[in-house]
Amino acid sequence: GENVEQHPSTLSVQEGDSAVIKCTYSDSASNYFPWYKQELGKGPQLIIDIRSNVGEKKDQRIAVTLNKTAKHFSLHITETQPEDSAVYFCAAMPSGGYQKVTFGTGTKLQVIP
Amino acid sequence: NAGVTQTPKFQVLKTGQSMTLQCAQDMNHEYMSWYRQDPGMGLRLIHYSVGAGITDQGEVPNGYNVSRSTTEDFPLRLLSAAPSQTSVYFCASSYQGRLYGYTFGSGTRLTVV
Repeated sequence: GENVEQHPSTLSVQEGDSAVIKCTYSDSASNYFPWYKQELGKGPQLIIDIRSNVGEKKDQRIAVTLNKTAKHFSLHITETQPEDSAVYFCAAMPSGGYQKVTFGTGTKLQVIP
Repeated sequence: NAGVTQTPKFQVLKTGQSMTLQCAQDMNHEYMSWYRQDPGMGLRLIHYSVGAGITDQGEVPNGYNVSRSTTEDFPLRLLSAAPSQTSVYFCASSYQGRLYGYTFGSGTRLTVV
């Protein structure tokens, strides 16, 4: 089955700096890669996603890149703000069905004012 | 538009008690699922459903039952609670057959003593 590894598990940055979270996956059949943000006491919320036919996607201060050859994808947050502090999860999903989605173990991001 | 609604938010059970965690969505999503979230373990799939009347097991189904009588509701039943079921439970929904991210509920924090 699919295996998704996520690094780092914790990340502290100064406000205004950039943050990068990296994930690798093992199943070449995976072709959809969403990222979720989980604030304390809340459920995960989809913040950005990328499909296998795209190498990069950007939404304001958040961007995701995908390297299908190397089987890794990354979340980039620029100009970090205190409200970016949360746990971020990556996931990999094949087109065969949602039951096959595999989540990373999460990265706790702390933005220091 | 409420999204995914989970009740209760908190629950304490004694070992051996039974209870039902409720999940309802108003987005006409075909796919619904239950995850448990434990420290360092990420999100693990308990049960899922691809439509009314159809359910199947995920990665960690033991000790849990589900049913899907309507598109909107997907309750999770604990038949005889055990301390190992202490966790945070999330319900998630999405469109079936298309590559979209999940919409998660806000979670139920369950403690079994």
